Amino acid sequence: SQQGEEDPQALSIQEGENATMNCSYKTSINNLQWYRQNSGRGLVHLILIRSNEREKHSGRLRVTLDTSKKSSSLLITASRAADTASYFCATDAGNTPLVFGKGTRLSVIA
Amino acid sequence: EPEVTQTPSHQVTQMGQEVILRCVPISNHLYFYWYRQILGQKVEFLVSFYNNEISEKSEIFDDQFSVERPDGSNFTLKIRSTKLEDSAMYFCASNNQNEQFFGPGTRLTVL
Repeated sequence: SQQGEEDPQALSIQEGENATMNCSYKTSINNLQWYRQNSGRGLVHLILIRSNEREKHSGRLRVTLDTSKKSSSLLITASRAADTASYFCATDAGNTPLVFGKGTRLSVIA
Repeated sequence: EPEVTQTPSHQVTQMGQEVILRCVPISNHLYFYWYRQILGQKVEFLVSFYNNEISEKSEIFDDQFSVERPDGSNFTLKIRSTKLEDSAMYFCASNNQNEQFFGPGTRLTVL
């Protein structure tokens, strides 16, 4: 089954720095999505990238997708303390259940 | 902006009791899902529902679990006889095509 796995598991940076998180998966996908979760809270959808797209931007977020390597990256530029959260990638094959990775725990230190 | 809602936000129950978790998906969505997240672990798929029937379920979704869409708006997850290991956050999600919208979750604590 497709499986998103993020690395690193934990990332600690200073406010203002960029944060890069990576995700790998195993099988063909239709979409790859990134979600954010504050501790003990719900999942907030950040960005969706389709399998035929290579890069997508949304505000301070930049997502890339390399289907040949079955990998994606999420870049948060000019990080803020409020960006502190866990970030998950999730893949689907088109109206199929999402398969989540274990997430990257990002800490942004003010 | 439309959103998925879930009730209750937190449910505490005794082992062996039945619980019903409720979700109201976004009104024009056709696909519905339940996921769970045990504390500190990743989000796991439980079941998907389309056209008034289960379309897919995971190994976790055993005979203790059931889902229902009793009316045009609610989508429920029932756990017949809860176990300690059922303690988790339960998320409902819905979509039409691509992006799945998640509810805020119900934290289930089984004592």
